[in-house]
Amino acid sequence: SAVISQKPSRDICQRGTSLTIQCQVDSQVTMMFWYRQQPGQSLTLIATANQGSEATYESGFVIDKFPISRPNLTFSTLTVSNMSPEDSSIYLCSALNRGRGANYGYTFGSGTRLTVV
Amino acid sequence: AQSVTQLDSQVPVFEEAPVELRCNYSSSVSVYLFWYVQYPNQGLQLLLKYLSGSTLVKGINGFEAEFNKSQTSFHLRKPSVHISDTAEYFCAVTGAQKLVFGQGTRLTINP
Repeated sequence: SAVISQKPSRDICQRGTSLTIQCQVDSQVTMMFWYRQQPGQSLTLIATANQGSEATYESGFVIDKFPISRPNLTFSTLTVSNMSPEDSSIYLCSALNRGRGANYGYTFGSGTRLTVV
Repeated sequence: AQSVTQLDSQVPVFEEAPVELRCNYSSSVSVYLFWYVQYPNQGLQLLLKYLSGSTLVKGINGFEAEFNKSQTSFHLRKPSVHISDTAEYFCAVTGAQKLVFGQGTRLTINP
């Protein structure tokens, strides 16, 4: 299955600034996703990153706050804009492997632990 | 759209006892189901998945789950737990695109 390299692994940022998180997949994948995991919570889907077009955002998430790029089938970025302490979370990217049979599944990056001060 | 409900936010059990973590899903289409484990301060690890075929799915670390379409459930079981199983467990569902997670169940093993 695909392997995802996500960076940075962690960062401490000042409020009002922006952070861009990168995910590189070692093979071409049709679908990539971005999740947020707030402290002590489950994973919440932010958006589906679409190659060559605007991302599809879930309810409660907007492009101005979380702009996403996906220039090709192996790379995507998520920017957390104008950060506040409430944005302190782990952000994860994921890729869907549409392999046959048992190869079908989702791969996750190791996550970016963001602290906003 | 799909949704997942994990019925227990916390499950304490004694070491070597059996455990069941409950998961119910809702979907208007056929689904694929997953269980993930997250150890403290670590990433997600896939325990097992149901795609099709046998409704009893065996995963890593001695875990298994049974898909029950009529009850829309996918409960996770282990016959004898170990201290090292202490972690957060997430059930997730997809209709073949985006993956939706349940709220998670914290499994605590007492000696």
